[in-house]
Amino acid sequence: QVQLVESGGGVVQPGGSLRLSCAASGFTFSTYGMHWVRQAPGKGLEWVSFIRYDGSNKHYADSVKGRFTISRDSSKNTLYLQMNSLRAEDTAFYYCAKEGAYYMDVWGKGTTVTVS
Amino acid sequence: QTVVTQEPSFSVSPGGTVTLTCGLSSGSVSPSSYPSWYQQTPGQAPRTLIYSTNTRSSGVPDRFSGSILGNKAALTITGAQADDECDYYCVLYMGSGTWVFGGGTKLTVL
Repeated sequence: QVQLVESGGGVVQPGGSLRLSCAASGFTFSTYGMHWVRQAPGKGLEWVSFIRYDGSNKHYADSVKGRFTISRDSSKNTLYLQMNSLRAEDTAFYYCAKEGAYYMDVWGKGTTVTVS
Repeated sequence: QTVVTQEPSFSVSPGGTVTLTCGLSSGSVSPSSYPSWYQQTPGQAPRTLIYSTNTRSSGVPDRFSGSILGNKAALTITGAQADDECDYYCVLYMGSGTWVFGGGTKLTVL
């Protein structure tokens, strides 16, 4: 079945960088777009970024534009989120999700990022 | 900046029916916003319930239904059960490859 496993979270100082990974299995990764969604402690969900199935288009929330970069490696069935210039307000649980038709179809269990 | 609005909290009696809504700070929600709904219990990843306004995701019981009511998207839960008590989020497609989540509704079943 479809499985998404995030990794790469951790504790980082303000201004630092971190790269999250999302390993995909159980579906043809190269034919689906992918999302990153985050959730700050005790807060709601926030859409972060989307990448088209072929990597040709990438989109970001205003809150991360210019600091975060989404990418994918279809040879490794892996989605990435490069996070630079991290701020305290980036502290959150980060989920990757497989694209549905304009929605998030299947979610990973998430990885936690703490900026402190 | 467009804000997606949801009721912060709602209460329903066991066996009762509740309708949660998802609106826009300016304008109306339409099918072209592709409203979708997610259920999240504490400490768990979200679970997809409804997409494209009213299509149930695989395995979701038909107690959950989606619609457009007036100028908002709506999630209706009929025959509410104790394990429906959790957080519900909607998300709207804003165009240009971007989405915005609502703030979520905490549903209490009592």
